[in-house]
Amino acid sequence: DIVMTQSPDSLAVSLGERATINCKSSQSVLYSSNNKNYLAWYQQKPGQPPKLLIYWASTRESGVPDRFSGSGSGTDFTLTISSLQAEDVAVYYCQQYYSTLLTFGPGTKVDIK
Amino acid sequence: EVQLVESGGGLVQPGRSLRLSCAASGFTFDDYAMHWVRQAPGKGLEWVSGISWNSGSIGYADSVKGRFTISRDNAKNSLYLQMNSLRAEDTALYYCAKGYYDILTGYYDYWGQGTLVTVSS
Repeated sequence: DIVMTQSPDSLAVSLGERATINCKSSQSVLYSSNNKNYLAWYQQKPGQPPKLLIYWASTRESGVPDRFSGSGSGTDFTLTISSLQAEDVAVYYCQQYYSTLLTFGPGTKVDIK
Repeated sequence: EVQLVESGGGLVQPGRSLRLSCAASGFTFDDYAMHWVRQAPGKGLEWVSGISWNSGSIGYADSVKGRFTISRDNAKNSLYLQMNSLRAEDTALYYCAKGYYDILTGYYDYWGQGTLVTVSS
């Protein structure tokens, strides 16, 4: 199985400041034939189901604010919130879909400082 | 509007069975793979099982393999999860999730609200 890890476990950022979440996979999720990274990011607010933010490591889902961006390739990925808003308080998960045994990272909780 | 509505959760004793259902609407159901993802109380997300558009490809997490069976009825726009030999560690909110494409692997672009399964004596 591909094991996903995230860091930090939690972080507190002031409103308007940048939040950065890291995700690492135990093996590459870059598919060489199409040069795509099979990596997605989700946001989960309390009491709600997860919401897709980013797929193919850096493609923003329709309707997602452009303050959210994804980057990275191979085994190391980053989700950046460029200017944290109050409504961004949530847990963020990365997920690999390179393998048919789909796996999520443990999550990173983002709060307001 | 895409809607996924899960049902069938509840309190069940260890060793017993339960069948979850997911009613889908707002999209062409048989064009997409579908999945079950669960979340234990206060914990993270765990993929449970997935099924391709035509049921030709099915996958299970190691934790449920041999006990759970996923299926779909494209005529009824419905997804199912038959859960047998339930254990306390199966206690979780079970989400139905729509795959982005017809194949088994992929990300999930829509999620239901979940149905809670509690396994306890």
